[in-house]
Amino acid sequence: DTGVSQNPRHKITKRGQNVTFRCDPISEHNRLYWYRQTLGQGPEFLTYFQNEAQLEKSRLLSDRFSAERPKGSFSTLEIQRTEQGDSAMYLCASSLRDRGQFFGPGTRLTVL
Amino acid sequence: AQSVSQHNHHVILSEAASLELGCNYSYGGTVNLFWYVQYPGQHLQLLLKYFSGDPLVKGIKGFEAEFIKSKFSFNLRKPSVQWSDTAEYFCAVNDRGSTLGRLYFGRGTQLTVWP
Repeated sequence: DTGVSQNPRHKITKRGQNVTFRCDPISEHNRLYWYRQTLGQGPEFLTYFQNEAQLEKSRLLSDRFSAERPKGSFSTLEIQRTEQGDSAMYLCASSLRDRGQFFGPGTRLTVL
Repeated sequence: AQSVSQHNHHVILSEAASLELGCNYSYGGTVNLFWYVQYPGQHLQLLLKYFSGDPLVKGIKGFEAEFIKSKFSFNLRKPSVQWSDTAEYFCAVNDRGSTLGRLYFGRGTQLTVWP
């Protein structure tokens, strides 16, 4: 399967700890997106990369959140000093130009 | 900012019934439109998309959607549902004039099909 992959699939952490998630997009896709989804809601945009450049960040992305995409391949999303409100499903998607985004399985974060 | 409304949060149907899920968006510019489906325990999958041309688009598994520009709508339809269509369905839009491509999603509609 050459789809979008995300690791880990589940993460349980204590409040105040740092966590990092990884996304591996479809290999030829130059665009990479991070979204967050909470129960009963659709995904909400967090940030967007075109190749290695981070071109857009949502106001949802506080200073505790940082994302990188070194060399324009995989991407990481780090959350520092986690809070209970950060508990959500974090989704990664990739696309080639603007022809439809393909989503990974997500990382479910639970902050205790 | 754009917003997407899915008015039906939960739809329950019997097999062979016809389906129509509503989706309305608010944006004055030119948009691309999408429907995604999430089957139980699986990730979001692209069901169909509209960029331009024929406003009636056909997707996988017998689904279709019609873009009505004057109503800012992109409703999803299927003439005869199956038990395997039980899933959550999300409508999404993005700004065709933007190079950024971020998607705006509706809250989703949970479809339950009884055998």
